[in-house]
Amino acid sequence: DAGVIQSPRHEVTEMGQEVTLRCKLISGHNSLFWYRQTMMRGLELLIYFNNNVPIDDSGMPEDRFSAKMPNASFSTLKIQPSEPRDSAVYFCASSPTGQGTNEKLFFGSGTQLSVL
Amino acid sequence: GESVGLHLPTLSVQEGDNSIINCAYSNSASDYFIWYKQESGKGPQFIIDIRSNMDKRQGQRVTVLLNKTVKHLSLQIAATQPGDSAVYFCAENTGGSYIPTFGRGTSLIVHP
Repeated sequence: DAGVIQSPRHEVTEMGQEVTLRCKLISGHNSLFWYRQTMMRGLELLIYFNNNVPIDDSGMPEDRFSAKMPNASFSTLKIQPSEPRDSAVYFCASSPTGQGTNEKLFFGSGTQLSVL
Repeated sequence: GESVGLHLPTLSVQEGDNSIINCAYSNSASDYFIWYKQESGKGPQFIIDIRSNMDKRQGQRVTVLLNKTVKHLSLQIAATQPGDSAVYFCAENTGGSYIPTFGRGTSLIVHP
């Protein structure tokens, strides 16, 4: 299994531009998590999907952020318009069912986003 | 809100020594705990987990200890190797929640 696959690995953009981050889940996994990691705040949960449905989006910073799961194996996180304070590493993680409290997460390698 | 915290942000050890990374949690309802290892340029990777009905669990060179009385979790790494250098996160799940809460992380530096 290739694991969770994220693209791009690095993204450099200018303030005001739209940014789209992509994630492919592990085959058969039903839950998806988007996290943002910074030195100041550590790992922050942005949004959690189960069976393609957003369950908890309370961590999404503001309306500039949106996430979708167009199918069971793929997700996008979009920032429009982007701002310098959005610069961070964005991780996608999946888990088998998302319905057991004793499940570990499988993380992708992350997207390093720099907004100039 | 309640959160998971770490005592030591950075731990430096010599190769071959044993390492102990500590984690304090404040939510007494947490019932599942996980340690993740994050190497530079990679996402966190699962190391070992423990349920609240246990106080010790061993893996290959790693041991997790859980002290529910003082709400403390530790990760012990035996015979630390340079490849163990990474940031280590503890995470907790509270009963009924499918979303783990992560601590801030401890950086482990292993000197050859």
